[in-house]
Amino acid sequence: TQLLEQSPQFLSIQEGENLTVYCNSSSVFSSLQWYRQEPGEGPVLLVTVVTGGEVKKLKRLTFQFGDARKDSSLHITAAQPGDTGLYLCARNQAGTALIFGKGTTLSVSS
Amino acid sequence: EAQVTQNPRYLITVTGKKLTVTCSQNMNHEYMSWYRQDPGLGLRQIYYSMNVEVTDKGDVPEGYKVSRKEKRNFPLILESPSPNQTSLYFCASSPIRDNYGYTFGSGTRLTVV
Repeated sequence: TQLLEQSPQFLSIQEGENLTVYCNSSSVFSSLQWYRQEPGEGPVLLVTVVTGGEVKKLKRLTFQFGDARKDSSLHITAAQPGDTGLYLCARNQAGTALIFGKGTTLSVSS
Repeated sequence: EAQVTQNPRYLITVTGKKLTVTCSQNMNHEYMSWYRQDPGLGLRQIYYSMNVEVTDKGDVPEGYKVSRKEKRNFPLILESPSPNQTSLYFCASSPIRDNYGYTFGSGTRLTVV
């Protein structure tokens, strides 16, 4: 199983700050997905990135897939308390499983 | 509303007492899967199914059984639960298509005492 390493593991910031979380691997992936999980709920898909160098925006969230397709980042601009949650990156393993990183727990306080 | 429904949301049981966690999806997805989520270990796959009557083991299948008699349902069975199966369980479904995301249920928090 090819691992996905996420960093930082925990992040606690004030409302209005910017932040970036990272997802890295030694392997090349055909695509990568980002999910957000709120306490007591299941993960919810945010985005899928497919092409090396691809950048996708979802309101204040910007997702980037590395040129070599081994890494990805999620940047949040002007974080809000509603952004609080666990952010997970995942890759699809031959259509049989989603392999997840261990996630970044984000806490945004007002 | 397109969704994956798990029941129950919370369950406390005793060691050795058989239990079933149900999972149903209304999106006509071919693929369904069970995960458990534990602190420090993240989400790990237990079993998955590519279609009716087709199931296979994930990374942590020991102590669990599944069945897929109908496309919409994928129950998780613990024949003889043990305390190390105390965890948060998620069912997920997806079409079998490249780059499609999974839809997860809201989870079942199981405590085995």
